[in-house]
Amino acid sequence: QTVVTQEPSFSVSPGGTVTLTCGLSSGSVSTRYYPSWYQQTPGQAPRMLIYGTNIRSSGVPDRFSGSILGNKAALTITGAQADDECDYYCVLYVGGGIYVFGTGTKVTVL
Amino acid sequence: QVQLQESGPGLAKPSETLSLTCTVSGGSIRSYYWNWIRQAPGKGLEWIGYIYYSGTTSYNPSLKSRATISIDTSKNQFSLNLRSVTSEDTAVYYCTATTLGVDAFDFWGQGTMVTVSS
Repeated sequence: QTVVTQEPSFSVSPGGTVTLTCGLSSGSVSTRYYPSWYQQTPGQAPRMLIYGTNIRSSGVPDRFSGSILGNKAALTITGAQADDECDYYCVLYVGGGIYVFGTGTKVTVL
Repeated sequence: QVQLQESGPGLAKPSETLSLTCTVSGGSIRSYYWNWIRQAPGKGLEWIGYIYYSGTTSYNPSLKSRATISIDTSKNQFSLNLRSVTSEDTAVYYCTATTLGVDAFDFWGQGTMVTVSS
């Protein structure tokens, strides 16, 4: 069973920068896993931010960026704003038609 | 812009089958992969599986033995049946679309809460 791990929580100051990561229980994440990132505010459906490692979805502010950092996928928020405070999930395509969600990161802006 | 709307009973009894339908509008049902994703209260997101208009399916290995996703292209709908449910299947269920070539979940329904209880 593939496990995709994320930091449980992160705190960032308004205007600051935070990098969330998405790793595999065994092995390294690369672009062939097509990492995608989602933002979820309480009581709402998730919203796709990034797909294909680093492609921003339509309407997503450019303060959100995706990359591969070392052996993990990463989501960087540059110039954090109060409404960035919510949960973030990554998804990896692990092959064979299977997608796996990460464990999720709760971001606090204070 | 693709829009999705989940429908179905909000309550299911233990050991019975949970059945949900997703109605698609604003896009061709042949242009996307159609997914079911769920989120138990206070927990993370879990991909259940997808179907393509051709009938090709893929499932989360942990749910494969109990889940069936089907599609009705004439009605622009796809459905989820989850058999032998327990309280662990209590969750908000989302239907989503994956645009071909995107390999991600780019359109989401609002979600529907299903509680498993006698």
